[in-house]
Amino acid sequence: GAVVSQHPSWVICKSGTSVKIECRSLDFQATTMFWYRQFPKQSLMLMATSNEGSKATYEQGVEKDKFLINHASLTLSTLTVTSAHPEDSSFYICSAEGLQDSYNEQFFGPGTRLTVL
Amino acid sequence: EDQVTQSPEALRLQEGESSSLNCSYTVSGLRGLFWYRQDPGKGPEFLFTLYSAGEEKEKERLKATLTKKESFLHITAPKPEDSATYLCAVHPSGTYKYIFGTGTRLKVLA
Repeated sequence: GAVVSQHPSWVICKSGTSVKIECRSLDFQATTMFWYRQFPKQSLMLMATSNEGSKATYEQGVEKDKFLINHASLTLSTLTVTSAHPEDSSFYICSAEGLQDSYNEQFFGPGTRLTVL
Repeated sequence: EDQVTQSPEALRLQEGESSSLNCSYTVSGLRGLFWYRQDPGKGPEFLFTLYSAGEEKEKERLKATLTKKESFLHITAPKPEDSATYLCAVHPSGTYKYIFGTGTRLKVLA
């Protein structure tokens, strides 16, 4: 099956610093990558959608200047949380959409646990 | 409005006690319906994709079915290692987004 990696798996940072999270599709080229946020015992909340070489599409209520997304290639997307604050602490999950059996399917990374002190 | 509802919210089963999880959806058009398994602190793991009503897919103790209004994930003779949250998602026609349900937390007791 398709494999998506995320790095780091967890990070602790001080308030005011920036944190970058990488998402890579390891064995396929991703037409689209998604970034989600998940709170404890809740479902996935879509933050933004990115396509290689174009600007990300952010969901309503998600600050573009705070959550910077760069989709550098068909296998790599990054999410940078700028000037992080404790309320940004969460579980961030990326996914990559790739062509499987003539249909685009979505595969998830293992997630990144961000804790802002 | 496109919507996905999963039930029950939580389910406790004895080992070997078969059951079904439900995913009801309302979309103007369906490109695909997906089932994922998520363990605590991890990303969702892909299980199945269903494209059209009447389709069924199986994997070990799991079987997914699809009608025009809902999907079921049947778990036959579950084991404790099947304990997880099971997420359902739909990909409506005409949009890039996937809409997720809130999941069913399954606990299988030995």
